[in-house]
Amino acid sequence: EVQLLESGGGLVQPGGSLRLSCAASGFTFVTFAMTWVRRAPGKGLEWVSLISNSGDRTSYADSVKGRFTISRDNSKNTLYLQMDNLRLEDTAVYYCAKDRGSGTYWNFWGQGALVTVSS
Amino acid sequence: QPVLTQSPSASASLGASVKLTCTLSSGHSNFAIAWYQQQPEKGPRYLMKVNSDGSHSKGDGISDRFSGSSSGAERYLTISSLQSEDEADYFCQTWDTGIHWVFGGGTKLTVL
Repeated sequence: EVQLLESGGGLVQPGGSLRLSCAASGFTFVTFAMTWVRRAPGKGLEWVSLISNSGDRTSYADSVKGRFTISRDNSKNTLYLQMDNLRLEDTAVYYCAKDRGSGTYWNFWGQGALVTVSS
Repeated sequence: QPVLTQSPSASASLGASVKLTCTLSSGHSNFAIAWYQQQPEKGPRYLMKVNSDGSHSKGDGISDRFSGSSSGAERYLTISSLQSEDEADYFCQTWDTGIHWVFGGGTKLTVL
């Protein structure tokens, strides 16, 4: 059974940093690209970042480019999202998701980690 | 970059059917999309991929009550025999491989 478990969320001040983790199990982690998607309060889903299966290719939404860094440790079956210079508008639930294949859509999702940016 | 448009809300009665629409922007009418369901306080769940020819492939364990179809730039999600647990937000998503991944604004489905 595929499982994705996010952790690391919390309350942080504007300009602060936070690192999210996503522990994966139930599938061959190294085989699949992974992504982060967020949902702000009262808003819809927003794609944030994607990383290839090997970790050598990454992509970011314009809203987070230069502030967020996606990475993965295939030996630990874990995906990360380092979030720096956080803004109020980054407040959201962050979900990690497993790629269906070839960087298209995502067939398994975690339950999410809440990040609140507030002074 | 493709843009996806969804109606903000829809409603239908218990036991009835509802058809949700996702419209692709001009120049992207041949794109495939994916449909997701997000129930309150839960992570999204993948429902199916819908191709431009109307063919679709569902996720593991997705009920036969959920089906997909296409017409031109529109992609549809039909839910039949509505149940209370179908009350959720429904999002469509597409991709410009390796470049952009975009979601529609979502449709909030109310089961009356």
